[in-house]
Amino acid sequence: QVQFVQSGAEVREPGSSVKVSCKASGGTFGNHVVTWVRQAPGQGLEWMGGSSPFFDTSHRAQMFQGRVTFTADESTSTAYMELSSLRSEDTAVYFCARGVPTDMSNSYYYMDVWGKGTTVTVSS
Amino acid sequence: EIVLTQSPGTLSLSPGERATLSCRASQSVKSSYLAWYQQKPGQAPRLLIYGASNRATAIPDRFSGSGSGTDFTLTISRLEPDDFALYYCQQYGNSPFTFGPGTKVEIK
Repeated sequence: QVQFVQSGAEVREPGSSVKVSCKASGGTFGNHVVTWVRQAPGQGLEWMGGSSPFFDTSHRAQMFQGRVTFTADESTSTAYMELSSLRSEDTAVYFCARGVPTDMSNSYYYMDVWGKGTTVTVSS
Repeated sequence: EIVLTQSPGTLSLSPGERATLSCRASQSVKSSYLAWYQQKPGQAPRLLIYGASNRATAIPDRFSGSGSGTDFTLTISRLEPDDFALYYCQQYGNSPFTFGPGTKVEIK
């Protein structure tokens, strides 16, 4: 059973960037979508977007347009999420999850395997 | 953007009781692309239900989902101690894939 292993906690200053990794251990991404969801302290879940390493496609929530980049290294089964121009409101736990497509378009998917999360703290 | 509203905010029940959680969407959810997740403190969410009514792998049959259009329900037939947690619904038929604010199921 594939597991998603995420990188460790990060502390960044406002205005900087952070890159979080997510490695598929015990398997590959296959034709799944690597999805990113974040959760601010004491708050609910917020979908950021996702990418399909196999099909080389990605999409993101409008609120993150221009600030978030999804990449992947299929040779190591590792996906990355880079968030730039960080502000204090970006302080959150960032989860990667495996998106299971519901059709051939890869546009609709639910998340069945989750990483444990990476805490990103933005503070001066 | 589809807004999901969950009710009640908190459900106080005893083990063995039935829990009924509601999720209402601001517009119809495409093809019933609605999922339910369980989350415990300090843990990642866990998929329970997808496609409104399909149980995920290894999810006990005391969990069931129903609904279509704008109204969806998660039912836990007989609460076990491990079921006291936070539950989120999420629609994945329209970008952005939004989550509801969650329902906390607590021990009475």
